[in-house]
Amino acid sequence: AQSVTQLGSHVSVSEGALVLLRCNYSSSVPPYLFWYVQYPNQGLQLLLKYTTGATLVKGINGFEAEFKKSETSFHLTKPSAHMSDAAEYFCAVSSRWGSSNTGKLIFGQGTTLQVKP
Amino acid sequence: DVKVTQSSRYLVKRTGEKVFLECVQDMDHENMFWYRQDPGLGLRLIYFSYDVKMKEKGDIPEGYSVSREKKERFSLILESASTNQTSMYLCASSFTPFNRSRDRGFAEAFFGQGTRLTVV
Repeated sequence: AQSVTQLGSHVSVSEGALVLLRCNYSSSVPPYLFWYVQYPNQGLQLLLKYTTGATLVKGINGFEAEFKKSETSFHLTKPSAHMSDAAEYFCAVSSRWGSSNTGKLIFGQGTTLQVKP
Repeated sequence: DVKVTQSSRYLVKRTGEKVFLECVQDMDHENMFWYRQDPGLGLRLIYFSYDVKMKEKGDIPEGYSVSREKKERFSLILESASTNQTSMYLCASSFTPFNRSRDRGFAEAFFGQGTRLTVV
């Protein structure tokens, strides 16, 4: 079965510091991988996604993530944190059709990012 | 822009009531989903649908049912609400970008604003 693990339910960084949010997945078939962000009292917004091709994926608001198959990881990074980045971040995985899974999105537990001035 | 609209932002219901949560999307997406979000547990899939009148159970379907009579609308039904169903409910939709006969693929899901349901 597919699963997603986000390491650290809370991450705190100073404004201007590197942001690193960790995500590891398990999947028996090549996965599709996503990062979503959720601001307070709002739905989820897509930050970036990996489907095929280049393993380094750039998203909105200066975020990027790298798919590392050997490490089964898809960590999210941003070189310099901004106060407006404070939110909850979710990693998600889905699989191609034809596997035992049916293309549904499986989410991690979420990581709350705090940005200190 | 894709728009996924949930009928209520906040809802308070009594134990034992039948509750309907409605979701409408305006982009002709085939796929629609209902998730439940609880602190520390992330998002858990309740039900999903790949086509009209088609539904499949997710990871936590107990106590819930769904209806998809039209492509744009996906309803979540709590047959008899209980206090442990107090939660944030998120609806999502997505399209299928590839040929169905080959790699179906999976596009990103677009989410509604969520319905915070309290059962008292």
